[in-house]
Amino acid sequence: DMKVTQMPRYLIKRMGENVLLECGQDMSHETMYWYRQDPGLGLQLIYISYDVDSNSEGDIPKGYRVSRKKREHFSLILDSAKTNQTSVYFCAAPGDEQYFGPGTRLTVL
Amino acid sequence: QQKVQQSPESLIVPEGGMASLNCTSSDRNVDYFWWYRQHSGKSPKMLMSIFSNGEKEEGRFTVHLNKASLHTSLHIRDSQPSDSALYLCAAPSNTDKVVFGTGTRLQVSP
Repeated sequence: DMKVTQMPRYLIKRMGENVLLECGQDMSHETMYWYRQDPGLGLQLIYISYDVDSNSEGDIPKGYRVSRKKREHFSLILDSAKTNQTSVYFCAAPGDEQYFGPGTRLTVL
Repeated sequence: QQKVQQSPESLIVPEGGMASLNCTSSDRNVDYFWWYRQHSGKSPKMLMSIFSNGEKEEGRFTVHLNKASLHTSLHIRDSQPSDSALYLCAAPSNTDKVVFGTGTRLQVSP
């Protein structure tokens, strides 16, 4: 099975600070995803990456940007974080299913 | 935009009972689904997938698919407290995307 890692697992930031969430995968798969999960809203797709420097907006990209310079790594960046970006963020990569990382719980105060 | 609707939002069943969860897609091109299970504080993990019309059984879990009605259901027999979790239904969309429902939260009471 593919392994997807995420760092950090927990993060507390103040409004206006920059946030960097990191994701890694061990199968060199071309496609990777970033989701956020909020109670009652399910998993919402933020960005999808089809390969290095080939990224596409998902359903809720506003306030986020991504970077993919190596196939194994996919970063999610929040420039000037907002309180409504408090959420659990999951990175995922496809195989026979979507393989999810363990998640990052971000709190923006 | 494709939607995946799940019902009920929450469900309580007694230990040993049967849990039945439902899922429907709004996209007429969808012809297969995944079911994921997410325990509290953990990430979603695929439970079962179904690609053909009819029924698929794995242990205590049975999934049904009706492609004509774009409907799938998950049934858990002899429910155990360890089955308590959020169950997410997912369907493929275009351009390698996957659309998830908002989930059914199952609680199995001892």
